[in-house]
Amino acid sequence: GQNIDQPTEMTATEGAIVQINCTYQTSGFNGLFWYQQHAGEAPTFLSYNVLDGLEEKGRFSSFLSRSKGYSYLLLKELQMKDSASYLCAVRGWGKFQFGAGTQVVVTP
Amino acid sequence: DAMVIQNPRYQVTQFGKPVTLSCSQTLNHNVMYWYQQKSSQAPKLLFHYYDKDFNNEADTPDNFQSRRPNTSFCFLDIRSPGLGDAAMYLCATSKALGIHENQPQHFGDGTRLSIL
Repeated sequence: GQNIDQPTEMTATEGAIVQINCTYQTSGFNGLFWYQQHAGEAPTFLSYNVLDGLEEKGRFSSFLSRSKGYSYLLLKELQMKDSASYLCAVRGWGKFQFGAGTQVVVTP
Repeated sequence: DAMVIQNPRYQVTQFGKPVTLSCSQTLNHNVMYWYQQKSSQAPKLLFHYYDKDFNNEADTPDNFQSRRPNTSFCFLDIRSPGLGDAAMYLCATSKALGIHENQPQHFGDGTRLSIL
Protein backbone atom coordinates (compact mmCIF):
# COMPACT_ATOMS: atom_id res chain seq x y z
CA GLY A 1 0.00 0.00 0.00
CA GLN A 2 0.92 3.63 -0.11
CA ASN A 3 1.42 5.63 3.04
CA ILE A 4 2.96 8.95 3.90
CA ASP A 5 3.26 9.90 7.56
CA GLN A 6 4.14 13.20 9.12
CA PRO A 7 3.34 14.74 12.53
CA THR A 8 0.06 16.59 12.81
CA GLU A 9 1.32 19.72 14.52
CA MET A 10 4.50 21.35 15.79
CA THR A 11 4.98 24.56 17.74
CA ALA A 12 8.15 26.64 17.84
CA THR A 13 9.16 30.17 18.75
CA GLU A 14 10.21 32.91 16.37
CA GLY A 15 13.89 32.64 15.46
CA ALA A 16 14.11 28.96 16.36
CA ILE A 17 14.64 25.89 14.16
CA VAL A 18 12.01 23.24 13.49
CA GLN A 19 12.45 19.86 11.78
CA ILE A 20 9.44 18.20 10.19
CA ASN A 21 9.85 14.47 9.55
CA CYS A 22 8.17 12.47 6.82
CA THR A 23 8.23 8.72 6.30
CA TYR A 24 6.82 7.07 3.23
CA GLN A 25 5.96 3.75 1.66
CA THR A 26 4.93 4.15 -1.96
CA SER A 27 4.75 2.24 -5.20
CA GLY A 28 7.74 3.55 -7.08
CA PHE A 29 9.81 6.58 -6.18
CA ASN A 30 10.66 9.44 -8.49
CA GLY A 31 11.24 12.25 -6.06
CA LEU A 32 10.03 13.78 -2.82
CA PHE A 33 8.61 17.28 -2.65
CA TRP A 34 7.81 19.65 0.20
CA TYR A 35 5.04 22.20 -0.12
CA GLN A 36 3.89 25.04 2.12
CA GLN A 37 0.18 25.68 2.42
CA HIS A 38 -1.35 28.62 4.27
CA ALA A 39 -4.92 28.24 5.44
CA GLY A 40 -7.38 28.55 2.56
CA GLU A 41 -4.63 28.85 -0.03
CA ALA A 42 -2.99 26.59 -2.58
CA PRO A 43 0.18 24.64 -1.78
CA THR A 44 3.38 26.31 -2.96
CA PHE A 45 6.51 24.40 -3.86
CA LEU A 46 9.43 24.57 -1.40
CA SER A 47 11.94 21.86 -2.22
CA TYR A 48 12.69 18.66 -4.10
CA ASN A 49 14.92 15.64 -3.37
CA VAL A 50 15.48 12.66 -5.62
CA LEU A 51 18.95 11.59 -4.44
CA ASP A 52 20.01 10.93 -0.87
CA GLY A 53 21.35 13.89 1.01
CA LEU A 54 20.64 17.46 1.94
CA GLU A 55 19.31 20.19 -0.33
CA GLU A 56 19.57 23.73 1.00
CA LYS A 57 17.53 26.70 -0.17
CA GLY A 58 17.94 29.71 2.03
CA ARG A 59 16.23 29.19 5.36
CA PHE A 60 14.75 25.89 4.22
CA SER A 61 16.64 22.61 3.84
CA SER A 62 15.35 19.18 2.96
CA PHE A 63 16.96 15.80 3.50
CA LEU A 64 16.25 12.42 1.94
CA SER A 65 17.20 8.84 2.72
CA ARG A 66 15.67 6.54 0.12
CA SER A 67 16.77 3.35 1.86
CA LYS A 68 14.93 4.43 5.00
CA GLY A 69 11.93 5.95 3.24
CA TYR A 70 12.55 9.11 5.22
CA SER A 71 12.79 12.82 4.65
CA TYR A 72 12.81 15.94 6.76
CA LEU A 73 12.24 19.62 6.14
CA LEU A 74 14.31 21.98 8.29
CA LEU A 75 13.07 25.50 8.81
CA LYS A 76 15.66 27.88 10.27
CA GLU A 77 15.29 31.37 11.75
CA LEU A 78 11.56 30.92 12.00
CA GLN A 79 9.38 33.88 11.17
CA MET A 80 5.74 34.44 12.03
CA LYS A 81 4.84 34.11 8.34
CA ASP A 82 6.16 30.54 8.42
CA SER A 83 3.05 29.50 10.35
CA ALA A 84 1.42 27.16 7.83
CA SER A 85 0.87 23.54 6.96
CA TYR A 86 3.84 21.73 5.39
CA LEU A 87 2.99 18.89 3.04
CA CYS A 88 5.32 16.04 2.15
CA ALA A 89 4.56 14.57 -1.28
CA VAL A 90 6.13 11.62 -3.07
CA ARG A 91 6.04 11.20 -6.82
CA GLY A 92 5.49 7.60 -7.78
CA TRP A 93 4.85 6.46 -11.31
CA GLY A 94 3.87 9.92 -12.54
CA LYS A 95 1.52 10.58 -9.64
CA PHE A 96 1.97 12.64 -6.50
CA GLN A 97 0.92 11.16 -3.18
CA PHE A 98 0.54 13.72 -0.39
CA GLY A 99 0.82 13.45 3.36
CA ALA A 100 -1.85 15.10 5.49
CA GLY A 101 0.49 17.95 6.36
CA THR A 102 2.18 19.21 9.51
CA GLN A 103 0.71 22.38 10.97
CA VAL A 104 3.58 24.56 12.21
CA VAL A 105 2.64 27.24 14.71
CA VAL A 106 5.22 29.95 15.27
CA THR A 107 4.85 31.87 18.53
CA PRO A 108 6.43 35.23 19.42
CA ASP B 1 1.19 36.62 -13.37
CA ALA B 2 -1.21 33.91 -12.29
CA MET B 3 -0.21 30.72 -14.05
CA VAL B 4 -2.89 28.30 -12.88
CA ILE B 5 -6.23 29.98 -12.54
CA GLN B 6 -9.28 28.47 -10.92
CA ASN B 7 -12.74 29.95 -11.10
CA PRO B 8 -14.63 30.64 -9.02
CA ARG B 9 -12.76 30.86 -5.69
CA TYR B 10 -15.95 30.02 -3.83
CA GLN B 11 -18.86 28.01 -5.20
CA VAL B 12 -22.12 27.24 -3.50
CA THR B 13 -24.49 24.68 -4.95
CA GLN B 14 -27.53 22.75 -3.85
CA PHE B 15 -27.58 19.12 -2.92
CA GLY B 16 -27.91 17.11 -6.14
CA LYS B 17 -27.50 20.09 -8.48
CA PRO B 18 -24.70 19.60 -11.04
CA VAL B 19 -21.75 21.93 -10.72
CA THR B 20 -18.67 22.58 -12.86
CA LEU B 21 -15.36 23.94 -11.63
CA SER B 22 -12.88 25.33 -14.11
CA CYS B 23 -9.13 25.55 -14.33
CA SER B 24 -6.91 27.23 -16.90
CA GLN B 25 -3.16 27.42 -17.23
CA THR B 26 -0.70 29.63 -19.07
CA LEU B 27 2.29 27.32 -18.53
CA ASN B 28 1.63 25.08 -21.52
CA HIS B 29 2.11 22.07 -19.26
CA ASN B 30 1.20 18.64 -20.49
CA VAL B 31 -0.28 17.34 -17.27
CA MET B 32 -3.28 18.68 -15.38
CA TYR B 33 -4.51 17.27 -12.09
CA TRP B 34 -7.61 17.63 -9.94
CA TYR B 35 -7.38 17.14 -6.19
CA GLN B 36 -9.99 17.17 -3.46
CA GLN B 37 -8.81 18.48 -0.10
CA LYS B 38 -10.88 18.41 3.07
CA SER B 39 -9.94 20.28 6.20
CA SER B 40 -6.66 19.08 7.79
CA GLN B 41 -6.37 16.26 5.27
CA ALA B 42 -4.01 15.50 2.44
CA PRO B 43 -5.00 16.55 -1.05
CA LYS B 44 -6.57 13.48 -2.64
CA LEU B 45 -5.94 12.95 -6.33
CA LEU B 46 -9.17 12.47 -8.28
CA PHE B 47 -7.75 12.18 -11.81
CA HIS B 48 -5.21 13.62 -14.15
CA TYR B 49 -4.74 14.25 -17.85
CA TYR B 50 -1.52 13.71 -19.69
CA ASP B 51 -2.30 15.68 -22.83
CA LYS B 52 -5.63 14.14 -23.84
CA ASP B 53 -5.07 10.87 -22.02
CA PHE B 54 -7.40 10.66 -19.04
CA ASN B 55 -6.33 8.76 -15.92
CA ASN B 56 -8.93 8.14 -13.27
CA GLU B 57 -7.99 7.08 -9.74
CA ALA B 58 -9.55 3.77 -8.80
CA ASP B 59 -11.39 5.21 -5.80
CA THR B 60 -12.72 8.35 -7.48
CA PRO B 61 -16.54 8.19 -7.37
CA ASP B 62 -18.41 8.04 -10.67
CA ASN B 63 -20.09 11.26 -9.60
CA PHE B 64 -16.87 13.09 -10.52
CA GLN B 65 -15.93 13.57 -14.14
CA SER B 66 -13.51 15.73 -16.02
CA ARG B 67 -13.02 17.28 -19.41
CA ARG B 68 -9.98 18.77 -21.06
CA PRO B 69 -11.03 20.41 -24.32
CA ASN B 70 -7.56 21.82 -25.01
CA THR B 71 -4.13 22.19 -23.40
CA SER B 72 -5.09 25.27 -21.42
CA PHE B 73 -8.39 24.28 -19.86
CA CYS B 74 -9.62 21.50 -17.63
CA PHE B 75 -13.02 21.13 -15.98
CA LEU B 76 -14.26 19.16 -13.01
CA ASP B 77 -17.91 18.16 -13.23
CA ILE B 78 -19.77 16.91 -10.18
CA ARG B 79 -22.99 15.41 -11.45
CA SER B 80 -24.97 15.14 -8.23
CA PRO B 81 -23.11 16.78 -5.34
CA GLY B 82 -23.67 15.33 -1.90
CA LEU B 83 -22.89 16.89 1.45
CA GLY B 84 -19.69 14.86 1.61
CA ASP B 85 -18.39 16.56 -1.51
CA ALA B 86 -17.97 19.90 0.26
CA ALA B 87 -14.23 20.53 0.08
CA MET B 88 -11.48 22.58 -1.50
CA TYR B 89 -10.82 21.47 -5.07
CA LEU B 90 -7.32 22.09 -6.29
CA CYS B 91 -6.15 22.10 -9.87
CA ALA B 92 -2.47 21.58 -10.55
CA THR B 93 -0.21 21.26 -13.56
CA SER B 94 3.20 19.80 -14.25
CA LYS B 95 5.35 19.85 -17.32
CA ALA B 96 5.66 16.10 -17.62
CA LEU B 97 5.34 12.81 -15.85
CA GLY B 98 8.97 12.00 -16.54
CA ILE B 99 11.42 10.79 -13.96
CA HIS B 100 14.71 12.47 -13.08
CA GLU B 101 13.12 15.84 -13.57
CA ASN B 102 12.71 18.51 -10.96
CA GLN B 103 9.16 19.16 -11.99
CA PRO B 104 6.99 20.26 -9.13
CA GLN B 105 3.30 20.72 -9.50
CA HIS B 106 1.99 24.24 -9.82
CA PHE B 107 -1.28 24.74 -8.01
CA GLY B 108 -4.15 27.12 -8.56
CA ASP B 109 -5.69 28.92 -5.60
CA GLY B 110 -8.46 26.34 -5.39
CA THR B 111 -12.22 26.48 -5.42
CA ARG B 112 -13.98 26.01 -2.11
CA LEU B 113 -17.23 24.18 -2.74
CA SER B 114 -20.13 24.36 -0.31
CA ILE B 115 -23.26 22.22 -0.58
CA LEU B 116 -26.59 23.49 0.75
